[in-house]
Amino acid sequence: GAVVSQHPSRVICKSGTSVKIECRSLDFQATTMFWYRQFPKQSLMLMATSNEGSKATYEQGVEKDKFLINHASLTLSTLTVTSAHPEDSSFYICSAGRTRSTEAFFGQGTRLTVV
Amino acid sequence: KQEVTQIPAALSVPEGENLVLNCSFTDSAIYNLQWFRQDPGKGLTSLLLIQSSQREQTSGRLNASLDKSSGRSTLYIAASQPGDSATYLCAVHLVGGSEKLVFGKGTKLTVNP
Repeated sequence: GAVVSQHPSRVICKSGTSVKIECRSLDFQATTMFWYRQFPKQSLMLMATSNEGSKATYEQGVEKDKFLINHASLTLSTLTVTSAHPEDSSFYICSAGRTRSTEAFFGQGTRLTVV
Repeated sequence: KQEVTQIPAALSVPEGENLVLNCSFTDSAIYNLQWFRQDPGKGLTSLLLIQSSQREQTSGRLNASLDKSSGRSTLYIAASQPGDSATYLCAVHLVGGSEKLVFGKGTKLTVNP
């Protein structure tokens, strides 16, 4: 299967700082990537759809100014959590697929802890 | 609004048992259904993908079925092993312009040696 790499796997930051998470498709080009958030014992909730060369599409209730998404190339999308607060602590996972409606592949996830 | 439900939420079995995990979805208009495995603190590993036109897929000891009309899928694990212990997630790929997946909450499986 395809490989999606996410970095970092863990990050601890101070409240008020910003954190950038990278998602790379290593062996295929992804015009669309997805960012999910997962709280303990909960399912994955889609935050936004990242489109190469254009603005991201955010799900209802997700603050676009707080969660900045940049999809600068066909193999890289970044999620920046700006002015992080303890309530932003969560597990963030990205995914990508080769084409519409085919198998989705996920990164390893990033555990963000804001102290 | 598409909703995905997985039953049971948790399951504990002795090693060697065959088991079935259940997934149901409310809207049958799906492109496909995908089963994932998630180990604690880790990302998702894709196990099986079933297209909407298919009824089942097999990979090793895993067999997934899909009944789109009734909105159900099952994941069958044969001869379970302690290494199968993980959370299993079911997700459906929506029809209609969006590529997003809708996930269930998962079934946490524990296989006891």
